[in-house]
Amino acid sequence: KAGVTQTPRYLIKTRGQQVTLSCSPISGHRSVSWYQQTPGQGLQFLFEYFSETQRNKGNFPGRFSGRQFSNSRSEMNVSTLELGDSALYLCASSPGASGDNEQFFGPGTRLTVL
Amino acid sequence: GENVEQHPSTLSVQEGDSAVIKCTYSDSASNYFPWYKQELGKGPQLIIDIRSNVGEKKDQRIAVTLNKTAKHFSLHITETQPEDSAVYFCGGDSNYQLIWGAGTKLIIKP
Repeated sequence: KAGVTQTPRYLIKTRGQQVTLSCSPISGHRSVSWYQQTPGQGLQFLFEYFSETQRNKGNFPGRFSGRQFSNSRSEMNVSTLELGDSALYLCASSPGASGDNEQFFGPGTRLTVL
Repeated sequence: GENVEQHPSTLSVQEGDSAVIKCTYSDSASNYFPWYKQELGKGPQLIIDIRSNVGEKKDQRIAVTLNKTAKHFSLHITETQPEDSAVYFCGGDSNYQLIWGAGTKLIIKP
């Protein structure tokens, strides 16, 4: 089975712009979760989508949004980028709810905001 | 809200020695406790997990122990090797969501 893929792998944007990141889960997985990772900050949960519905949401401002399509592929969008949004964005897929199933992570998208 | 605390944040051990990382959780209803390993430049990967009906689980050099009464669980790595150098994350489920620990950077000294 192919693993989780994320595109693009690297992205450079300037403050005020918006960005869309894409995640293709493992075939058959219905749950996609998104995380922000900055040095020394661990894994900060953004949101989880399951069968096109947002199940859980982390403590991030409304500038961060996401969606999931009928084929389980997911996108996350960040509007009005700030310098502090520079981070590695990871997505993870799981066959069921992320809370009690193994999550399979993609390689991440490295976002740099200038 | 529910949280998972992980200690230490950095652990340095001599190659061949054992390493222990500990986590405590707050949600008494938690039943699933995974451990993930993140190597440099990669996403985290599950290395072992335990459910609340089991007190200990082993897989070769790694083991996890769970004490539900005290609400803590630990990762044990024996005979550490250079490839064990990574960041390790623990987690506990709460309301169908995984709550993550802050991570432990494990350094294996030659």
